[in-house]
This record gives sequence, structure tokens and C-alpha cells, in this order.
Amino acid sequence: EAGVAQSPRYKIIEKRQSVAFWCNPISGHATLYWYQQILGQGPKLLIQFQNNGVVDDSQLPKDRFSAERLKGVDSTLKIQPAKLEDSAVYLCASSPSRRVPYEQYFGPGTRLTVT
Amino acid sequence: GEDVEQSLFLSVREGDSSVINCTYTDSSSTYLYWYKQEPGAGLQLLTYIFSNMDMKQDQRLTVLLNKKDKHLSLRIADTQTGDSAIYFCAERYQKVTFGTGTKLQVIP
Repeated sequence: EAGVAQSPRYKIIEKRQSVAFWCNPISGHATLYWYQQILGQGPKLLIQFQNNGVVDDSQLPKDRFSAERLKGVDSTLKIQPAKLEDSAVYLCASSPSRRVPYEQYFGPGTRLTVT
Repeated sequence: GEDVEQSLFLSVREGDSSVINCTYTDSSSTYLYWYKQEPGAGLQLLTYIFSNMDMKQDQRLTVLLNKKDKHLSLRIADTQTGDSAIYFCAERYQKVTFGTGTKLQVIP
């Protein structure tokens, strides 16, 4: 089966600019996650979708970050405006949420550099 | 809130065993996982253990869980150069929380 697809793979922007990331999960996976992974740290959950509804966005900086999952398939994550501390790898993952052990399948990530 | 801690770095010789340790704080965890991340790639699930188990073996991998001490370990037998990567433990209750990652370096 095809894995989780993400684009772009790399993005360099200046602070205060906007950026958007795209994720296509594995077909049939109802749950989709966006994580932020800062260099040297573990992934931090930003937002979790179940189909096209938000399950958890408690750690999403909502003043600048937004995410949507239209039709319960693809998802986009947007940052507007970007700050220097947003430099990180943004990982998308999906999961067949009703199947134990609820394994998450990760995409390769988008490396964002904010200058 | 949940907190998952790991040592940052481990170096072993090829053919030796590697033991990567992890401590967590949430006693309500239901599943605990070990993920592997190679350079430039996303995370890949290696193995997992239910919280009511204390050991699980899967080929070269052995997971030990001490629920009383909230301590999880991953043993890799006969470590190979291809095992060089960053290893993350993670615990799940209502959501999954990842540790800080342990970089495993395998010396030929």
C-alpha cells in the first residue's frame, strides 16, 4: 500500500511570511495527525483529526497555525505569519484508528527553515 | 501532564546488544511503543507492548516494561550498522506522547 505522502519536502521562508504544507494519508485511515519535531526533540502533537473533525488541537498555536481536513482525506497545515521558532520538521501521520495497537504511519516530513 | 524521558545517546559495537531506556509519568498508559527514525525519514513503528504485559520478544527485539517504576526498555540483540538511527519511546493514554529520542551509533 502507498505510504503517507507529504509536500513539499523542504521549505525556506522569511519570518512573517506564510507557508502551507500538504498531507495525503494512507487510503482508508480515518485518523490524521500533524506533529512538530524541533531538532533534537521528539515529535509534538499539533492537531489530530478523526475523519474531518478535530479531536485534539490543544497544543496548536491557534494565533498563527491552522489546519483543515476537507472531506476526511487530505489535510493542509498553514502557518501565518511564521516566526523563527517555527523552524522544524512537520510530520504528518495517519492511523486506522479502530485497529489496535493504533499504530501511526508517518510521512517523510517537511523541513521548514524560517530566516 | 505526560512526560517521557530518554537518554540522548548510545554507542555500541556491531554484534553487541543495545539497551535503550525510557521513563514515563502517566500511570494510565494503555500502550507503549518503540519507533525508529532514520535520517530524513519519518518514524516507523518497531514494536509495542500492552500495559498489562511485562515483556515482549520479537526476533532481535525485546521490550521490558516495569509498570511500578514506569520504566520501559528496548533491547536489540546482535546490533548491526543498519540499526543506527534515533529511537523514540512513546506512551498512549488519550493521545500519544513521544520521548526525546535516543541516538544509537553502531561502531563497525
